[in-house]
Amino acid sequence: GAGVSQSPSNKVTEKGKDVELRCDPISGHTALYWYRQSLGQGLEFLIYFQGNSAPDKSGLPSDRFSAERTGGSVSTLTIQRTQQEDSAVYLCASSLALDSVYNSPLHFGNGTRLTVT
Amino acid sequence: QKEVEQNSGPLSVPEGAIASLNCTYSDRGSQSFFWYRQYSGKSPELIMSIYSNGDKEDGRFTAQLNKASQYVSLLIRDSQPSDSATYLCAVNLYSGSTLGRLYFGRGTQLTVWP
Repeated sequence: GAGVSQSPSNKVTEKGKDVELRCDPISGHTALYWYRQSLGQGLEFLIYFQGNSAPDKSGLPSDRFSAERTGGSVSTLTIQRTQQEDSAVYLCASSLALDSVYNSPLHFGNGTRLTVT
Repeated sequence: QKEVEQNSGPLSVPEGAIASLNCTYSDRGSQSFFWYRQYSGKSPELIMSIYSNGDKEDGRFTAQLNKASQYVSLLIRDSQPSDSATYLCAVNLYSGSTLGRLYFGRGTQLTVWP
């Protein structure tokens, strides 16, 4: 597709359940990012990938959160034992590469709205 | 600490006026600067990028960067009601362990009234 694709668009889950969020970046974009945005709040950085490796995991809020990327393309963000405070919109973005500062603009997907009941 | 500060607003301007949005950042090493627009319930979309001091114009939008003073601004000329959105300032340090991290401000809400 032409843009960043995220699925599902909406997810309602019960507290304590695990969820998986998927992101398919723009073709050719080697850098992939996860952010989350709570209602009325700014964008909170979670993690980014350069290829399949994640040099910066410091944004993950707890060890219940993990992410992986295989084949340099699709990424999944997994939240284990979900809590109500995990409710937010999870945004994925990709950029061309990190070999030049000019390649760094992010292109966002439409997000996954996660609601933990 | 990498901070990006914006006035949360709301900023309200009449149609046809110039809207001025400001952003300051704390890290002098920052190298790339962006303005994103986010409509309510939608994802951010890139509207401007700027990398060197001075002005960059694109249609009704002008981004201004002053690295010495550590601020970046966005001017919207001939504002339209369709410009009503939250505008996010973002900064990339582009070095070391934070190479890929884009730091966002909390955004300024703009309302353009007819």
